[in-house]
Amino acid sequence: GAGVSQSPSNKVTEKGKDVELRCDPISGHTALYWYRQSLGQGLEFLIYFQGNSAPDKSGLPSDRFSAERTGGSVSTLTIQRTQQEDSAVYLCASSFNRPTGELFFGEGSRLTVL
Amino acid sequence: TQLLEQSPQFLSIQEGENLTVYCNSSSVFSSLQWYRQEPGEGPVLLVTVVTGGEVKKLKRLTFQFGDARKDSSLHITAAQTGDTGLYLCAGVTGNQFYFGTGTSLTVIP
Repeated sequence: GAGVSQSPSNKVTEKGKDVELRCDPISGHTALYWYRQSLGQGLEFLIYFQGNSAPDKSGLPSDRFSAERTGGSVSTLTIQRTQQEDSAVYLCASSFNRPTGELFFGEGSRLTVL
Repeated sequence: TQLLEQSPQFLSIQEGENLTVYCNSSSVFSSLQWYRQEPGEGPVLLVTVVTGGEVKKLKRLTFQFGDARKDSSLHITAAQTGDTGLYLCAGVTGNQFYFGTGTSLTVIP
């Protein structure tokens, strides 16, 4: 597709389970970003990839969170031993690597931890 | 972490009214962007401002970047119901985008 694709769109899980969220960026975009958004709030930065490397992981809230990107394309955000406070919408965005580049967002993955 | 505060957090106005949303920070940014997000969707870019003092107009929307490149404002003239959504500012430094706290706008017919 032409846009950023995220899956699953909705995920309900039990506390303590692991979840994987997937992001398929726009072809050719070298930069990929993960953000977390609580209901109606601003975006909390999680991690940024340039190609397959992550120059900035400063936003990951704990060591339960990890992310990888392979082939300079698809990225997976993994949350281990989920907690109720992890419930949020996880947004992925990609961009050409330019100083005033535009972020193109997917529709997000809504995670609910029971 | 660069923090961008937006005000107001919530705004409910009648169709046809004017409004201004503010985005403030103590950090200097190379550019500042405004996005609009509708329910169930990702944010979509409205504008990028680069130069301190720059003013950009997009139909009924006017965006201004502060002289010191630390703050910005979004003014909407004669709001329409289609303007309803969450407005987010984002300060850009290098390859990093720092988002504001968001302003939820509801325009009532």
